[in-house]
Amino acid sequence: DSGVTQTPKHLITATGQRVTLRCSPRSGDLSVYWYQQSLDQGLQFLIQYYNGEERAKGNILERFSAQQFPDLHSELNLSSLELGDSALYFCASSAYQGARGDNEQFFGPGTRLTVL
Amino acid sequence: KNEVEQSPQNLTAQEGEFITINCSYSVGISALHWLQQHPGGGIVSLFMLSSGKKKHGRLIATINIQEKHSSLHITASHPRDSAVYICAVFSGGGADGLTFGKGTHLIIQP
Repeated sequence: DSGVTQTPKHLITATGQRVTLRCSPRSGDLSVYWYQQSLDQGLQFLIQYYNGEERAKGNILERFSAQQFPDLHSELNLSSLELGDSALYFCASSAYQGARGDNEQFFGPGTRLTVL
Repeated sequence: KNEVEQSPQNLTAQEGEFITINCSYSVGISALHWLQQHPGGGIVSLFMLSSGKKKHGRLIATINIQEKHSSLHITASHPRDSAVYICAVFSGGGADGLTFGKGTHLIIQP
């Protein structure tokens, strides 16, 4: 158990809908990262937050947004869903700030999103 | 953008064999990560390297910064090592997060 929690585990929805994925980092970690894993693209970095502020942005679509709240949990909002958005969405947390990749990240169990 | 290539894509071996998985990248990096993903989907961070070699139990990771290459070795492999092993790099400088390889699917047969 990494100490990172994600809800829900599974989510099935229809095209055009909007969903919210939730992530709680390890106790004491200030950074949260979101990743998407699809069959054709593999793992891709979406976005990072540190202590409530956006710190780094990857291949995140304009239909997607995220935020980190004062209690440090984070939410990833996906709107106008398309079939191609079906994927595993992971969040990870680390103790360090910035967009640095030279720190260990602890991954949550993921949310499997299916868009029908 | 950094290109990360892993080889082999798939590897089936017998229990007890010595396993090597390779990772090459195209642009200089500040850190390289090896991750393990089990069939259930969960991802575990195995190593983070910026130089040299690290060892944890039966796992060894090495990196050659000049050659832009890293290897993950598993000694005395066991069926429970069956998983997808993913290499990820951080190039530094820009705020663009990790770039991932496509993974090596390892099966260890008893």
